[in-house]
Amino acid sequence: GENVEQHPSTLSVQEGDSAVIKCTYSDSASNYFPWYKQELGKRPQLIIDIRSNVGEKKDQRIAVTLNKTAKHFSLHITETQPEDSAVYFCAAAKRNTGNQFYFGTGTSLTVIP
Amino acid sequence: NAGVTQTPKFQVLKTGQSMTLQCAQDMNHNSMYWYRQDPGMGLRLIYYSASEGTTDKGEVPNGYNVSRLNKREFSLRLESAAPSQTSVYFCASRDLLGNTQYFGPGTRLTVL
Repeated sequence: GENVEQHPSTLSVQEGDSAVIKCTYSDSASNYFPWYKQELGKRPQLIIDIRSNVGEKKDQRIAVTLNKTAKHFSLHITETQPEDSAVYFCAAAKRNTGNQFYFGTGTSLTVIP
Repeated sequence: NAGVTQTPKFQVLKTGQSMTLQCAQDMNHNSMYWYRQDPGMGLRLIYYSASEGTTDKGEVPNGYNVSRLNKREFSLRLESAAPSQTSVYFCASRDLLGNTQYFGPGTRLTVL
């Protein structure tokens, strides 16, 4: 089965700096890679996703990159703000199936004002 | 359009009691999932239903059963609750066109 590893487990940055979270996956058949943000006491919510036919996707201050050959993908947050503080989860899945998502163990990001 | 709803929001059980967690979605999604989340840990899949009429075990199915009642509803049952089942439980559904998985608000369960 798929195995998703996520690093680092905790990350502290100064407000305005960039934050990078990295994930690796093992199953080359995985072709959909979402990122979720979970604020304290809330549900996980999708913030960005990428499909395997794309190398990079950007949405304002958030970007995701994918290296299929190396089987790793990363979340980049630029100009961080205190409201970016949360736990971030990466996941790997197969598109257009009902099969399960495989989640990383999460990164707790703290943005220091 | 309520999305994914879960009941109850909070529950306290005694060891050995049983209960059913309810989940419903109004987005016409085919696939539904149950996760548990423990402090400092990620999301662990308990069971999922890729489509109406099918269910499959996830990573941590022991002590749980599920029922896909219809396309909208997917319930999780604890037959004999144990303290190790104290957790936050999330239900989710998946849009196969967009591939996005949407989560419910969660049920916080404590087993004494």
